[in-house]
Amino acid sequence: EPEVTQTPSHQVTQMGQEVILRCVPISNHLYFYWYRQILGQKVEFLVSFYNNEISEKSEIFDDQFSVERPDGSNFTLKIRSTKLEDSAMYFCASRDSTDTQYFGPGTRLTVL
Amino acid sequence: RKEVEQDPGPFNVPEGATVAFNCTYSNSASQSFFWYRQDCRKEPKLLMSVYSSGNEDGRFTAQLNRASQYISLLIRDSKLSDSATYLCVVNSETSYDKVIFGPGTSLSVIP
Repeated sequence: EPEVTQTPSHQVTQMGQEVILRCVPISNHLYFYWYRQILGQKVEFLVSFYNNEISEKSEIFDDQFSVERPDGSNFTLKIRSTKLEDSAMYFCASRDSTDTQYFGPGTRLTVL
Repeated sequence: RKEVEQDPGPFNVPEGATVAFNCTYSNSASQSFFWYRQDCRKEPKLLMSVYSSGNEDGRFTAQLNRASQYISLLIRDSKLSDSATYLCVVNSETSYDKVIFGPGTSLSVIP
């Protein structure tokens, strides 16, 4: 069964450093998403991406964040200058023409 | 009022019990409703979409009441493997493409 994959599974970085989180969505899906979940809190929408552009973003997704689909398979989330409060689990998701979003296993980001 | 609210839980039930979770949402224009489950430190996984007419999948039944802006999930004959956090998910009023997760309700099924 096709699945969304994410790398790395755990990223540790120093405050102020840039990080890139990578996702490979399901191959025939057209819509891509990033979410984050701070430990013990709810899942929060960050951004949606369709047809090579952002279709929707939340207030969390400020200028420090960017997304890219550099080739036909990868979908990346970049955080330019990480803060302590960026420590969270980051989930990528994709969907096809139906409403169902399929989530990847997540990347745990720890900012020291 | 928060966009999506759920029973605070946790729910601790014996195997074989029936348990019901409730969810309310604030956006009367929402069109898409889902229940996801999330195991500890894992990704959310779709349990079922919720349709206006209600729907059932084995031991799971979901109901939608648009007038009251209320969604429910009923689990019959609980199994140990049902232990997880159940997340109510609704699309936002600003975009079909943006979904809002509820805080989740934790379920522990006890032998």
